[in-house]
Amino acid sequence: DAGITQSPRHKVTETGTPVTLRCHQTENHRYMYWYRQDPGHGLRLIHYSYGVKDTDKGEVSDGYSVSRSKTEDFLLTLESATSSQTSVYFCAISEARGTDTQYFGPGTRLTVL
Amino acid sequence: RKEVEQDPGPFNVPEGATVAFNCTYSNSASQSFFWYRQDCRKEPKLLMSVYSSGNEDGRFTAQLNRASQYISLLIRDSKLSDSATYLCVGNYGQNFVFGPGTRLSVLP
Repeated sequence: DAGITQSPRHKVTETGTPVTLRCHQTENHRYMYWYRQDPGHGLRLIHYSYGVKDTDKGEVSDGYSVSRSKTEDFLLTLESATSSQTSVYFCAISEARGTDTQYFGPGTRLTVL
Repeated sequence: RKEVEQDPGPFNVPEGATVAFNCTYSNSASQSFFWYRQDCRKEPKLLMSVYSSGNEDGRFTAQLNRASQYISLLIRDSKLSDSATYLCVGNYGQNFVFGPGTRLSVLP
């Protein structure tokens, strides 16, 4: 299995509070991604990174920001959590973009009350 | 229209059965396709890539039909351990687009 960890694995928070999710990889892959997964939807891309300090928006980026200060770490921040952001969040990594297999972390289950 | 659509589930099949899933994609420029498997409350894991010529891995066969823009996954001799949700994935530009998944339950 690819070396990807996510923390926390579970979190319950209240509307309006900031939340930061962390993804850590040991594979030295260039590309890192944050997805959310909701019932009835496929995985949807929130943001991705193509290098240290290089990030871009995905399909559902509103309300989320990201940062990547080191190759191995990719942080996802909800500045002011809302109930619509209750979801399962997956981090993924790949060596190339668009053609290469993506490997997923174990996921973070976030509940916003 | 969703970019990647899959057969609605769930599929409930007996052990030993052959089951086929189809997936359609809307972007004719898509070049890369994959099938992922996702167990309940777990992360998606790559099952197999899908090549133009079709490919087989043990009991699993994937086919790509570019003219009709669909991908199929065939599972032969189903095992209880095949019970999972199967996600169809295609690229849209340089991003992956995931289908909503098809749930398979293999029954004893």
